[in-house]
Amino acid sequence: ETGVTQTPRHLVMGMTNKKSLKCEQHLGHNAMYWYKQSAKKPLELMFVYSLEERVENNSVPSRFSPECPNSSHLFLHLHTLQPEDSALYLCASSQDSGAGETQYFGPGTRLLVL
Amino acid sequence: GEDVEQSLFLSVREGDSSVINCTYTDSSSTYLYWYKQEPGAGLQLLTYIFSNMDMKQDQRLTVLLNKKDKHLSLRIADTQTGDSAIYFCAETSSNTGKLIFGQGTTLQVKP
Repeated sequence: ETGVTQTPRHLVMGMTNKKSLKCEQHLGHNAMYWYKQSAKKPLELMFVYSLEERVENNSVPSRFSPECPNSSHLFLHLHTLQPEDSALYLCASSQDSGAGETQYFGPGTRLLVL
Repeated sequence: GEDVEQSLFLSVREGDSSVINCTYTDSSSTYLYWYKQEPGAGLQLLTYIFSNMDMKQDQRLTVLLNKKDKHLSLRIADTQTGDSAIYFCAETSSNTGKLIFGQGTTLQVKP
């Protein structure tokens, strides 16, 4: 498997459920990202990890909890979500987290919160 | 603040050229990108240009950068139905290093 993979591709959950999104990169990169893509809005950066340390947290509600156990894997743990959290969640990676680093995206997880 | 603007929709006929435009506000931005998103898929990096370049060509794709006007364009020659997708312009913020994305331009290619 090459590039950036994400599982599951689609997820439907109730507001009281707990679920996790998984991202894996096979590019040997040191930085990983979570983005949220809502309809008709620009991509919103949620979290940035560099060498397994969180370096950016863009005022994301605590019901989203990221985890980066190693530089190849990134998780987004979800609990007590709201319907407005329904969106496409995209993972990306880059060689490093500095300016000018090209980011490569996974296919995304389409999340629907009922 | 930093902002990237794109028109939302473009429709062309198969075989014609498509030009997707983008304006940005950060005059110190170092890299500018074009990403493509097909239905149900993630973002695919198409091409990027460094801010000291005016033009970059890659097969059917031509990127033009006008730094004075802070205007970036993507030209797709001989547009095919497989080019139908959403195209995102993005700049690298000179302040934070983060990618700032536009809203995306939906390209519709009619046979």
